[in-house]
Amino acid sequence: NAGVTQTPKFQVLKTGQSMTLQCAQDMNHNSMYWYRQDPGMGLRLIYYSASEGTTDKGEVPNGYNVSRLNKREFSLRLESAAPSQTSVYFCASSEDGTGSKNIQYFGAGTRLSVL
Amino acid sequence: GENVEQHPSTLSVQEGDSAVIKCTYSDSASNYFPWYKQELGKGPQLIIDIRSNVGEKKDQRIAVTLNKTAKHFSLHITETQPEDSAVYFCAASTRGADGLTFGKGTHLIIQP
Repeated sequence: NAGVTQTPKFQVLKTGQSMTLQCAQDMNHNSMYWYRQDPGMGLRLIYYSASEGTTDKGEVPNGYNVSRLNKREFSLRLESAAPSQTSVYFCASSEDGTGSKNIQYFGAGTRLSVL
Repeated sequence: GENVEQHPSTLSVQEGDSAVIKCTYSDSASNYFPWYKQELGKGPQLIIDIRSNVGEKKDQRIAVTLNKTAKHFSLHITETQPEDSAVYFCAASTRGADGLTFGKGTHLIIQP
């Protein structure tokens, strides 16, 4: 039972380069999320997709774009990476947002360094 | 939007003693409060959660209490063990599908 799978696990970029972080879940969940984690800052929501075909901004969306490719996959794109985007990125999913179904399950993270 | 404050940032306790981590939230509409444990190099894992229609919930050595009037909730770990050493995060949610607002985390250290 894989749960939430993120690729790659590690990435080093130069300033200005672009890349896409991939996330896939095999739990048939409707809702998916991208967070970033910085030292001493906890996790902050970048974007989320409440259901297939919808995406919305979270707390820190600037510099990122997302695509909900299908029900399983939710990707995060950095068009022009900046050193301030050095962070650990986590993808999460939940069955949906209602009642007991909003429990979020997290992937293992992508550790990104922008030089 | 929601703001979640978590204290302390670091907590060191002797093995076998109890540990308490406290969080406050700002949005009275928040109705779901999970706690996550994160081990080094791994993603957060849910350990317990509570909803606004409940005041307390227990699962073996772990319990969570919620005071809606004061807008605070706490994690209690009894009979601490070395494997409890990790970073713990509290979070709050107003509308589940909109994502969670996290506290900044507590590094729990269990001293042998």
